[in-house]
Amino acid sequence: NAGVTQTPKFQVLKTGQSMTLQCAQDMNHNSMYWYRQDPGMGLRLIYYSASEGTTDKGEVPNGYNVSRLNKREFSLRLESAAPSQTSVYFCASRQGSTNEKLFFGSGTQLSVL
Amino acid sequence: AQSVTQPDIHITVSEGASLELRCNYSYGATPYLFWYVQSPGQGLQLLLKYFSGDTLVQGIKGFEAEFKRSQSSFNLRKPSVHWSDAAEYFCVILTDSWGKLQFGAGTQVVVTP
Repeated sequence: NAGVTQTPKFQVLKTGQSMTLQCAQDMNHNSMYWYRQDPGMGLRLIYYSASEGTTDKGEVPNGYNVSRLNKREFSLRLESAAPSQTSVYFCASRQGSTNEKLFFGSGTQLSVL
Repeated sequence: AQSVTQPDIHITVSEGASLELRCNYSYGATPYLFWYVQSPGQGLQLLLKYFSGDTLVQGIKGFEAEFKRSQSSFNLRKPSVHWSDAAEYFCVILTDSWGKLQFGAGTQVVVTP
């Protein structure tokens, strides 16, 4: 049972390049989330998907797009990377009810030069 | 708006000593609160959660937290710290029924011999 799997683990981009961060969960969870973690700011929600076929903006959605490809997969896309998007990105999932804990992926360290 | 504040950015504690991490929340009703821990190079792990009922919540790894409505606090405690407790700790509040979470800025705990 892999849980939440994120790829890649590390990535370096040049300003203006695009890329997609992949996330997949094998726990049949309904809700999935993308967070970014920056020093002194904790984790901030970028986008979330409460259920298959739905996506909503979180706290810091600008510069990102997401796709809930199916129940398992929730991808995060940077269309034109900027240095301000240098961060550690975490994908998470949960069954959907409020008393269910979040399961986190191991993170993607992204550097934009 | 719902939010959590962790006043201490960094705490140093001796191994075997007690530890208390502060968390204050802002929320109109009874909040759903969590503490997560992130060990170096690791993902996030749920320590404990509070939804209702007993205000003293027991978690994993010997941690406990006490919900105090009068003080709008949810402080995390451990009676005797182990070197493996060196990590970053996040206080988290649930902000809506879809499972959106608001993370505090985090408290970095350093354990000295």
